[in-house]
Amino acid sequence: SQELEQSPQSLIVQEGKNLTINCTSSKTLYGLYWYKQKYGEGLIFLMMLQKGGEEKSHEKITAKLDEKKQQSSLHITASQPSHAGIYLCGADKSGNTPLVFGKGTRLSVIA
Amino acid sequence: GAGVSQSPSNKVTEKGKDVELRCDPISGHTALYWYRQSLGQGLEFLIYFQGNSAPDKSGLPSDRFSAERTGGSVSTLTIQRTQQEDSAVYLCASSLSGSKETQYFGPGTRLLVL
Repeated sequence: SQELEQSPQSLIVQEGKNLTINCTSSKTLYGLYWYKQKYGEGLIFLMMLQKGGEEKSHEKITAKLDEKKQQSSLHITASQPSHAGIYLCGADKSGNTPLVFGKGTRLSVIA
Repeated sequence: GAGVSQSPSNKVTEKGKDVELRCDPISGHTALYWYRQSLGQGLEFLIYFQGNSAPDKSGLPSDRFSAERTGGSVSTLTIQRTQQEDSAVYLCASSLSGSKETQYFGPGTRLLVL
């Protein structure tokens, strides 16, 4: 079965710094989703990537999909306290739902 | 517009009791999913409904778990004879259709089995 590994598991950065979170799949990626979760809340959809080399941005968050490496990266520029939370990547299994998720990366942003 | 809603938001129950968790998907979404998030674990798929097709129950951990979706809208996840290991956050998601459509999640139900 497909497995997604996220790195790092947790990250503490100073406000204003850039950071990158990686999501690596054990199998071919057909669709890669990034979500953010805050304590006590559900998952907030950030971005979906489907094509190799695809790159999407939303405010200060950019995600890329490298099909050959079976990997996606999420980059946050000039981090803010509002970026704190758990970032989860999810992938389509052979183009069919449901999604398989990584265990998440816990991001803390300190002033 | 309204997102996915779940109720209750929190549920505390005693071991051995049955519980029902409810999910109201986004209006017009034909696909509905249940996931479970346990402490220290990632999101685990439980069951998936798509339109009038037979549900994909491949993720249900035991026969104590069941779910139904009435009228293609609201879904109820039932856990019978709850065990302490059932304690988790149960998340519901819906999407416009099945494959390759973004799943939108509800806030979850936090279940604690004492």
